[in-house]
Amino acid sequence: QKEVEQNSGPLSVPEGAIASLNCTYSDRGSQSFFWYRQYSGKSPELIMFIYSNGDKEDGRFTAQLNKASQYVSLLIRDSQPSDSATYLCAANTGNQFYFGTGTSLTVIP
Amino acid sequence: DAGITQSPRYKITETGRQVTLMCHQTWSHSYMFWYRQDLGHGLRLIYYSAAADITDKGEVPDGYVVSRSKTENFPLTLESATRSQTSVYFCASSEYRRALGQYFGPGTRLTVT
Repeated sequence: QKEVEQNSGPLSVPEGAIASLNCTYSDRGSQSFFWYRQYSGKSPELIMFIYSNGDKEDGRFTAQLNKASQYVSLLIRDSQPSDSATYLCAANTGNQFYFGTGTSLTVIP
Repeated sequence: DAGITQSPRYKITETGRQVTLMCHQTWSHSYMFWYRQDLGHGLRLIYYSAAADITDKGEVPDGYVVSRSKTENFPLTLESATRSQTSVYFCASSEYRRALGQYFGPGTRLTVT
């Protein structure tokens, strides 16, 4: 079983809609969780981190963490074509970071 | 420039050759990491380092060697390159407070022929 699992997609949403990306993790000892955006041919870029249960908002992005369900999500409001990318979920356990395989998002103009 | 850099950005080498990928960061971050990214596998950790002279294996360390004599540098060496090591390699760094996440270099695309 992988440490972090994501639906690979692809996920398509129209411009202006809310995109919802989901992630589950297997290790209850995981302490912090991250969302990265990766454009094709580029390196991952950190967009959000969360370590407390509940919601954390940053601009158009909201990260949600539910430790009881071992579930992390990312909501992107007012989606823009520039949000089209692969989104990687990651968990920090001890000294290591475990990444999911990513969800491909396409925002249709 | 501040940040994390990798060199070379592209490399083609032959099976059996030794190859070293360089990583340099200017933030004085404690932690540094090497990942490889392959289709279907996502990012997989090769080695990481918590500080100078402290390194540890990740998920896929076989065939790789690392060293960290200075905080800012973390080179990755493929001792005898194999075709299965064809991949995109990313170096990353994070503060001692790992909860703040990692910052990635631009990557090195390595092809082993």
